Amino acid sequence: AQTVTQSQPEMSVQEAETVTLSCTYDTSESDYYLFWYKQPPSRQMILVIRQEAYKQQNATENRFSVNFQKAAKSFSLKISDSQLGDAAMYFCAYTNFGNEKLTFGTGTRLTIIP
Amino acid sequence: NAGVTQTPKFQVLKTGQSMTLQCAQDMNHNSMYWYRQDPGMGLRLIYYSASEGTTDKGEVPNGYNVSRLNKREFSLRLESAAPSQTSVYFCASSLWTGPNEQFFGPGTRLTVL
Repeated sequence: AQTVTQSQPEMSVQEAETVTLSCTYDTSESDYYLFWYKQPPSRQMILVIRQEAYKQQNATENRFSVNFQKAAKSFSLKISDSQLGDAAMYFCAYTNFGNEKLTFGTGTRLTIIP
Repeated sequence: NAGVTQTPKFQVLKTGQSMTLQCAQDMNHNSMYWYRQDPGMGLRLIYYSASEGTTDKGEVPNGYNVSRLNKREFSLRLESAAPSQTSVYFCASSLWTGPNEQFFGPGTRLTVL
């Protein structure tokens, strides 16, 4: 069974600085997809970024980028120029073809210090 | 375009009571899901519906039933609520199952006394 591990329950960063959230996963599949979801205090889960395992290039979305290390099964999220609105729980998630569900990590609570 | 809507937003039940959580999406998605979120844990899948007319168990289905009423609506029923079902419940939808983005509703906070 696939597992997703987020080893940092909480992180904090100064506003305008850069922070990296860690995620590791375990799978025997070769073709899979990884996601980072953001859950602000409003509780609404929002997709931040997605990475296809077959792509060597790391995904980027504006200030958000990932460092995808397939051999190490690592998928970290980098947030540049942190803003107060980035404060939230961040969940790493995994799925693969033929798998109906997302497997989520336990989340990292990110605090932005003004 | 409301996306995924859930009702109610909050609910308090007594042990043994029943209730139904409602979910609807207006994105013409085929697949819908019910998750629960507990402190210190990620979201866990309760049931899902890959397409209209089908439902399947997820990771934690015990104590729950679901109905895919039509393409838009997917309800979750607790027949006899237990304190262990105290949680935040999220409905989600996606175009299809698999590696498609899932869109989430705002959640229902349920407390069972």
